[in-house]
Amino acid sequence: NAGVTQTPKFQVLKTGQSMTLQCAQDMNHEYMSWYRQDPGMGLRLIHYSVGAGITDQGEVPNGYNVSRSTTEDFPLRLLSAAPSQTSVYFCASSAQGEGTEAFFGQGTRLTVV
Amino acid sequence: DAKTTQPPSMDCAEGRAANLPCNHSTISGNEYVYWYRQIHSQGPQYIIHGLKNNETNEMASLIITEDRKSSTLILPHATLRDTAVYYCIALKGGNQGGKLIFGQGTELSVKP
Repeated sequence: NAGVTQTPKFQVLKTGQSMTLQCAQDMNHEYMSWYRQDPGMGLRLIHYSVGAGITDQGEVPNGYNVSRSTTEDFPLRLLSAAPSQTSVYFCASSAQGEGTEAFFGQGTRLTVV
Repeated sequence: DAKTTQPPSMDCAEGRAANLPCNHSTISGNEYVYWYRQIHSQGPQYIIHGLKNNETNEMASLIITEDRKSSTLILPHATLRDTAVYYCIALKGGNQGGKLIFGQGTELSVKP
């Protein structure tokens, strides 16, 4: 049982490049979400999903796309990377229902130059 | 979800209890109080949550006031490994799709 797995752990992109951050969970959780954390700040919600085929925007969705074709996977796509997207990205999953806890991945550290 | 307010930083001596306060004066009846912590730059880790009653688990205790407008996370015997940023989050029942809205948290420094 690996929990929430994010790949890659580190990535450097040039401005304008696109890429996909991968997130997979093996706990059969319905809910998954993406966050970014800038230096010295708390986490901010980018996008979230309540199940396969259903996604919605969080606090800071601009510049990012998501899709949820399976329960296990929730990739985050950067369409055209900008230096402002330099951040640490965390993926989380949780089970449906009241009082359930979220499990987080170890993060992807992205630098856009 | 209700806004929460926490002190930006706190110190605690190793071996002593760490009491971290959280204000959530606008919390509604179906909102849980959750606590997470983030050690260095790792992914946040769940600690404990509660609705009305006080809760205890192997990591911590959560004390919620009777009017539910504030709560305190207690680490009974803090160790150096408890140095982290602690986040208090109010979240409606049903988990709202797992979307957590983080504030700035409290940076707890446990000192020898």
